[in-house]
Amino acid sequence: AQTIHQWPVAEIKAVGSPLSLGCTIKGKSSPNLYWYWQATGGTLQQLFYSITVGQVESVVQLNLSASRPKDDQFILSTEKLLLSHSGFYLCAWSLRALYFGSGTRLTVL
Amino acid sequence: GDKVKQSPSALSLQEGTNSALRCNFSIAATTVQWFLQNPRGSLMNLFYLVPGTKENGRLKSAFDSKESYSTLHIRDAQLEDSGTYFCAAEAADSNYQLIWGSGTKLIIKP
Repeated sequence: AQTIHQWPVAEIKAVGSPLSLGCTIKGKSSPNLYWYWQATGGTLQQLFYSITVGQVESVVQLNLSASRPKDDQFILSTEKLLLSHSGFYLCAWSLRALYFGSGTRLTVL
Repeated sequence: GDKVKQSPSALSLQEGTNSALRCNFSIAATTVQWFLQNPRGSLMNLFYLVPGTKENGRLKSAFDSKESYSTLHIRDAQLEDSGTYFCAAEAADSNYQLIWGSGTKLIIKP
């Protein structure tokens, strides 16, 4: 069975501080991987996708970056957080249907 | 305008009743997915559809690509069905991006 583990569960960070969020997918070889962001009460905004190790495509520019260092790992990061980065971050994988991790709730103060 | 228009935006039902949610597409959708987001934020994939119909327990979903819409029917609603339902469509030229509806917030009352 496939599992997706996302970390951390929640973060409270200061404006200007760095951030690193991660997820690991087990049980599937070479899935497509995605990062999504959701504002409180809002719809889902796709940030990045990756179809292979080492290749990441950006969908929107939000002063964030993503990397796929291993086939089963996807990292979201920034060197300087903004207040507007607050929200709910979700990692997801697909081969056809899309499956989400449990998310990271980020508060930037 | 919205490429994926989801209706209604909110719905309140008594336990045991039935409901229908709908998504209309102004794009040439090739597949549709339905998700349920629970109050904690977790998103569960309910259906992945090519044109046609699928059923899973009390849930039934249909996707008509020619008429550009999809529906999700919930039969005998239970308290655990509460949450926000999203549909998301894939288009032929979507390049690994799903186009999301704005969600239907469903509250089931005992």
